[in-house]
Amino acid sequence: QSALTQPASVSGSPGQSITISCTGTSSDVGGYNYVSWYQQHSGKAPKLMIYDVNSRPSGVSTRFSGSKSGDTASLTISGLQPEDEANYYCISYTRSSTWVFGGGTKLTVL
Amino acid sequence: QVQLVESGGGVVQPGRSLRLSCAASGFTFSTYGMHWVRQAPGKGLEWVAHVGYGGNNLHYADSVKGRFTISRDTSKNTLYLQMNSLRPEDTAVYCCARDLTGHWTIDYWGRGTLVTVS
Repeated sequence: QSALTQPASVSGSPGQSITISCTGTSSDVGGYNYVSWYQQHSGKAPKLMIYDVNSRPSGVSTRFSGSKSGDTASLTISGLQPEDEANYYCISYTRSSTWVFGGGTKLTVL
Repeated sequence: QVQLVESGGGVVQPGRSLRLSCAASGFTFSTYGMHWVRQAPGKGLEWVAHVGYGGNNLHYADSVKGRFTISRDTSKNTLYLQMNSLRPEDTAVYCCARDLTGHWTIDYWGRGTLVTVS
């Protein structure tokens, strides 16, 4: 159950787009379309932003989108806004009927 | 609205036990699978355990298998995590979380309860 691999940090200017990757294996990310993304502001509970690779829960901005290719899933945030600055985590269901998170990515809006 | 409120955290010596509780409200608890997730201070999220809506179908992270037990009491709308043989590396904020049914992920989270093993 090794953690999924995410970049430790990414940054972008307001209005720009950024992409955060989440790399696993064929036993998790590559094997199922059950990848989700969470946004976590400091001291707050995580918020679900994307599920099933590319579905958005009601109320989540259309600026957030997800995709997957092989063993790597990605979260793209377009039109960056200051309030997007947070930590982002991916999670995938696994072949062992467990779940595994990515290590987290700190997004800085310059 | 969905509310998940954890309790039972505290400071405990290595090798001792602790039981966490999570009181659920605002939804039909008996029809949802539930998770425990933890976050060590300054670290990322780590999935810990899952229980199916029926109370069976239990799954654990390798790091806690054989030491932790997840359970639920539908009559009390409460989720539990029995933690035995605690280690310093188990120090974390423990959050309960709800399944997004049919999508093998988590939708709602509690704020968590801090467990310190020292």
